[in-house]
Amino acid sequence: GNSVTQMEGPVTLSEEAFLTINCTYTATGYPSLFWYVQYPGEGLQLLLKATKADDKGSNKGFEATYRKETTSFHLEKGSVQVSDSAVYFCALGTQGGSEKLVFGKGTKLTVNP
Amino acid sequence: DAGVIQSPRHEVTEMGQEVTLRCKPISGHDYLFWYRQTMMRGLELLIYFNNNVPIDDSGMPEDRFSAKMPNASFSTLKIQPSEPRDSAVYFCASSLATGQSILGRGNEQFFGPGTRLTVL
Repeated sequence: GNSVTQMEGPVTLSEEAFLTINCTYTATGYPSLFWYVQYPGEGLQLLLKATKADDKGSNKGFEATYRKETTSFHLEKGSVQVSDSAVYFCALGTQGGSEKLVFGKGTKLTVNP
Repeated sequence: DAGVIQSPRHEVTEMGQEVTLRCKPISGHDYLFWYRQTMMRGLELLIYFNNNVPIDDSGMPEDRFSAKMPNASFSTLKIQPSEPRDSAVYFCASSLATGQSILGRGNEQFFGPGTRLTVL
């Protein structure tokens, strides 16, 4: 079945450090891949997505590339800010319509000034 | 658009009481999802609906949990009787089924702010 494995946290960085959060997946077919972010006390919100191999999703300085050969979708940011402190979830969905997403367990990121 | 609306935002109740959580999805969306989030188990999908019809309720933990969607703009998740282990944050999310080729989207779900349930 479909599954997502996400690096365990928590991750603590200093401001302006480089961020990588690893995500690998197992799926049949060609799933869409997502990164969601959850700020304290809020619901999840979409950060970026990619719908086919070699697509790069980007938003707010974050990037992730859909790598089919390594079944990965690692999240990166070149210079994190305190405001990036949140929990990040990798997820995959089925192609062709809105159905359920499979989420990773989440990685908590804390950025210190 | 106001986004997905959930009520109440916080609920504190005593063991054995009935709890009803409410959700209003984004207008026009045809999928609705109920999730539960705890530190121990992470984010779990409980049930989801398509066009008001329950599609998959395999995540509902037991018969104490039930969910309904009487119309396209309202859904409830009920726990009766509640137990302390039901304490969690419950999220509702909605989405619109569109072909990726039409809008360039893939299965994005829009989450509500959640209901924090505490069962004493």
